[in-house]
Amino acid sequence: AQTVTQSQPEMSVQEAETVTLSCTYDTSESDYYLFWYKQPPSRQMILVIRQEAYKQQNATENRFSVNFQKAAKSFSLKISDSQLGDAAMYFCAYRSVDNNDMRFGAGTRLTVKP
Amino acid sequence: EAQVTQNPRYLITVTGKKLTVTCSQNMNHEYMSWYRQDPGLGLRQIYYSMNVEVTDKGDVPEGYKVSRKEKRNFPLILESPSPNQTSLYFCASSLYSGGSSYNSPLHFGNGTRLTVT
Repeated sequence: AQTVTQSQPEMSVQEAETVTLSCTYDTSESDYYLFWYKQPPSRQMILVIRQEAYKQQNATENRFSVNFQKAAKSFSLKISDSQLGDAAMYFCAYRSVDNNDMRFGAGTRLTVKP
Repeated sequence: EAQVTQNPRYLITVTGKKLTVTCSQNMNHEYMSWYRQDPGLGLRQIYYSMNVEVTDKGDVPEGYKVSRKEKRNFPLILESPSPNQTSLYFCASSLYSGGSSYNSPLHFGNGTRLTVT
């Protein structure tokens, strides 16, 4: 079964600075999808960004971008110009094409300092 | 508004008292799933359903039941809750028709905080 590892339980960043959250995964599949979700204190799960494994180009959504390294099975999230509203728990997720199964990492709690 | 509606938001119960957490989606999604979220463990899948009358176990199905009699509804049933089922529960749904729909993200409900004493 696929596993997703987020090795940073907590991270902090100064407002307006850039921070990178790490995610690695283990799979034998060649095609799959990767996601980052944000969970603010309201506990709502919000999709931040997604990446198709067959695409070499890294996904970007405004201040959020990913560094997808397929060979290394790495999928890090970069947040530029951090804002106070970015403070949340961030979950990395892997979705299998074979069975539609989605697996999550343990999460990284991001604190943004004013 | 497209959404996944999950109820109740908070629930406190006692050991052994059967309970149901409801989940409904209005997006005509084939795929629905239940997760529990625990500190340091992230979200772990309990059960999922590919379509009506098709359900399967996730990683932590013990102590839970589900049913999918209608496309829009996917209730989670705890026949005899125990304190180790105290957790934050999420229902989620997405498209599932093969091909490019695999990149369809999960749409989540607002969660149910369950406490079993």
